[in-house]
Amino acid sequence: DIQMTQSPSSLSASVGDRVTITCRASQSISSYLNWYQQKPGKAPKVLIYAASNLQSGVPSRFSGSGSGTDFTLTISSLQPEDFATYYCQQSYHTPPYTFGQGTKLEIK
Amino acid sequence: QLQLQESGPGLVKPSETLSLTCTVSGGSISSTSNYWGWIRQPPGKGLEWIGSIYYSGSTSYNPSLKSRVTISVDTSKNQFSLKLSSVTAADTAVYYCARIDGSGWSPAFDYWGQGTLVTVSS
Repeated sequence: DIQMTQSPSSLSASVGDRVTITCRASQSISSYLNWYQQKPGKAPKVLIYAASNLQSGVPSRFSGSGSGTDFTLTISSLQPEDFATYYCQQSYHTPPYTFGQGTKLEIK
Repeated sequence: QLQLQESGPGLVKPSETLSLTCTVSGGSISSTSNYWGWIRQPPGKGLEWIGSIYYSGSTSYNPSLKSRVTISVDTSKNQFSLKLSSVTAADTAVYYCARIDGSGWSPAFDYWGQGTLVTVSS
């Protein structure tokens, strides 16, 4: 199975900050990488698909980049509603689809 | 707007079978571009894909659960279902159903149910 490792596991930041979350795959997954946001008690929501494509309706302050094994999710200017847990997920070597362990973004 | 809704018992006894159904509304489960999947999340932990099904009945399971999982589809009811046998406390989790958008470059879980907590306890 492909292992997905996110860093950091948790992060404290302030409104207006630029934040980057990293996801590393245990082997190359081309650009078959998606990013999700999950708020407490809610289902995850897809933000970015195929590494760098913004899902419809997602604010443009979210962006993704990378290919192969290393990927990043960037939030250009944090808003209060962005404090949540973020997951990466690979769709290249399936089954299984695998998720990263999550990055919890908290208010500083 | 597509909606998914999980239903089933919230409490299952150890060694018994967990059964959940996902009802899809606002769209057809027979869409050729999509698969339908189950994902679970133990309390305070991350996401684990359980398995997926195509409207034709073709399935794919997580190897770690494959021996205990069965996913089926009922296109006449626009539903798909999960059965997980021989459950233990480790299977306690929020169970989500979701649509997998297979039309793009990287299949993503783009619509989700609200999730249902299933607790395994005697």
